[in-house]
Formats: sequence, structure tokens, C-alpha cells
Amino acid sequence: QQQVKQSPQSLIVQKGGISIINCAYENTAFDYFPWYQQFPGKGPALLIAIRPDVSEKKEGRFTISFNKSAKQFSLHIMDSQPGDSATYFCAASGVIQGAQKLVFGQGTRLTINP
Amino acid sequence: EAQVTQNPRYLITVTGKKLTVTCSQNMNHEYMSWYRQDPGLGLRQIYYSMNVEVTDKGDVPEGYKVSRKEKRNFPLILESPSPNQTSLYFCASSLYPWGRRIMNTEAFFGQGTRLTVV
Repeated sequence: QQQVKQSPQSLIVQKGGISIINCAYENTAFDYFPWYQQFPGKGPALLIAIRPDVSEKKEGRFTISFNKSAKQFSLHIMDSQPGDSATYFCAASGVIQGAQKLVFGQGTRLTINP
Repeated sequence: EAQVTQNPRYLITVTGKKLTVTCSQNMNHEYMSWYRQDPGLGLRQIYYSMNVEVTDKGDVPEGYKVSRKEKRNFPLILESPSPNQTSLYFCASSLYPWGRRIMNTEAFFGQGTRLTVV
């Protein structure tokens, strides 16, 4: 009920291509869906986030698509660059059984080939 | 500079030897949390704290303790470490608890502590 499932585990994309990472959740109490980006040796950092009252949010080359009925959301990176190579985590947040929760997906290691 | 500082960055210890990983934030955040990161499992919450003297268990609290005596500090204590606690640990803080219906719920993470228990 609290799980967030993320796929793929790893992804290789050519420079200039589109990177797509997918996540699915089960608990409808989740109401905030952030994506975090992590470079080697660093902690995760917030990249972009969405609330379920909108179906899409775009910030520069990064777009979140949200499908509330399917309980799925995805991150699209347009014109992928070598500097985008990192591990990406989706997450879902909400009040679950009276407690504030932020649940992360398993992570996707993205490699952009030059 | 706004930051979350963890120490140490790397630690190798032996089974059963008590250790503490410190975490400090300079952003006056109320909400702090500890996560462990393991391959294929993502980040899993160990403990969190809503404010001074208020702590609660996350999803994987067994074998860990925390305390919140001051707003800025949230140490993680392993009373008797075991090899299955070998992991990468992250402390995080935010102004408000995640999930509240306001804009600023970004979590700021420390640089991580890589712990090896032999």
C-alpha cells in the first residue's frame, strides 16, 4: 500500500534523445509527487514535483506527466545531455495512517552517451 | 550557505560497537529524517522528527535510535551495529512535513554517510 514502483532500473540514452522513467503507486492518500536527482557522492536534490490536480508540469527540459486514474506518473527529459547522467528517484508523499510519509521508488540510473 | 551536514562521510566499524552519525541543518527546519539507501531498494525512511523532542519510527527503524534535543541536530545512533546495517545513510530536513498542501515541502539532503559493519 505504501510502495512506489519505479522502472527501469537503468537506462542508456543517446545525447539529444528523450529519457523516460516511469513510476506507479497504490495508495490514493498520496498527494505530492516529487522527483529527486542524485549525482555520485552527493545526496538527492529536488528536481521537479507535481500535485495530482494537474496532469503535466514542465520545467525547462524536464516534464512530469501524471495519470491519476492509473496511479502512474513519469519523468521525461527532453534533449538529454551527458550532464543529466545521474540516479533519479520518484517519490510519493502524503498522510498515511496518521503519519507524514515520503516514500521513494527504487531509483533509475540514467546514462547519457555523448 | 543553506545545508545539511553529516559526519562522518565514511565509517568502518565492527559488529556490536556503538556508533553515532551526526546531522546538523542551518535552515531552521522543523522536520528532519534519516534514510538508508540500498541498491534496488531506493531510499527507506528510518526515523523522522516533527520538532524538538518529537520523533517517530519510519519504515525500517529496527536497530536504530534517534534523538532531537535541539532543532538543528538529529543524530542517528546504532547501539549494536550488525553487518545488515551496512548501507549509505542520508539525513534530510524540510521546513514543513512532506505531504502538506503547500508549495515549499522540498527535502534537503546531506552528502551521505557510507557505513560498513564488519
